[in-house]
Amino acid sequence: GESVGLHLPTLSVQEGDNSIINCAYSNSASDYFIWYKQESGKGPQFIIDIRSNMDKRQGQRVTVLLNKTVKHLSLQIAATQPGDSAVYFCAEMGAIKAAGNKLTFGGGTRVLVKP
Amino acid sequence: EAGVAQSPRYKIIEKRQSVAFWCNPISGHATLYWYQQILGQGPKLLIQFQNNGVVDDSQLPKDRFSAERLKGVDSTLKIQPAKLEDSAVYLCASSLGTGHYEQYFGPGTRLTVT
Repeated sequence: GESVGLHLPTLSVQEGDNSIINCAYSNSASDYFIWYKQESGKGPQFIIDIRSNMDKRQGQRVTVLLNKTVKHLSLQIAATQPGDSAVYFCAEMGAIKAAGNKLTFGGGTRVLVKP
Repeated sequence: EAGVAQSPRYKIIEKRQSVAFWCNPISGHATLYWYQQILGQGPKLLIQFQNNGVVDDSQLPKDRFSAERLKGVDSTLKIQPAKLEDSAVYLCASSLGTGHYEQYFGPGTRLTVT
C-alpha cells in the first residue's frame, strides 16, 4: 500500500545552521503534503503545507520543496534554534476528493539542536 | 481561539479493562479525527467524522474500538476490552471541513495498558 517514510531517524544540527529533513512518498497520486512538528508530550503542530501543483513554498524560516519526479519532499529550517528541537513528520494526502480526505503520516525524524 | 481539548491526559489500565477518551474540537470544525500514535511512529488514522457521520473507519479495530460524535461536536473513543498493544497516545484532530485540509491536533491521551 501507499506509504510515506523518512530517510534519517535523527538529525543533529548546530544552533544557527540550516536543517534539512527529507521524506519519500510512494503514492504518485498524492495531491497535498504537510509537515508537522511534535514536541514531547504535545500533539503535532502544523508547520507548512504544499499542493502537488507547486514545487516550493516558503514560510517563516521554513521552506518545503516537492520533487514529484522522484516523489521526494524536504523541509528546510533556516538558522535552526533550540526551540526547533522536536520530531518532524511529513504527511501526504491522496488525490483530493469531495469528502473523506485523509492524511498518511511518515515515521518521523528527530531533530536535536546543539548549542 | 481555543485549541482541540482532550481528556484525560494520562490513563493506566489493566488489560481487558475498558477505557474512554473525550475530545472537543475547535469550534466550527466540521471534521474530527482520532489517531493512534505508537511510541516512535507517526500517527495512524483510526476514524474520521464529518459532522456526526463516519467518513472513514477502515483502520478502526471494530471488535474492540468504538467512537461516536452524536451531536457533531465533541466525540468519545472507547476501547473494550483493552490489550497490551493498545498502549499508545490517542490524538484527536479537527479541521474546518470540505476544502480545508489542515488538521489541528490536541495534546493527546497517553494510554498505558498493563
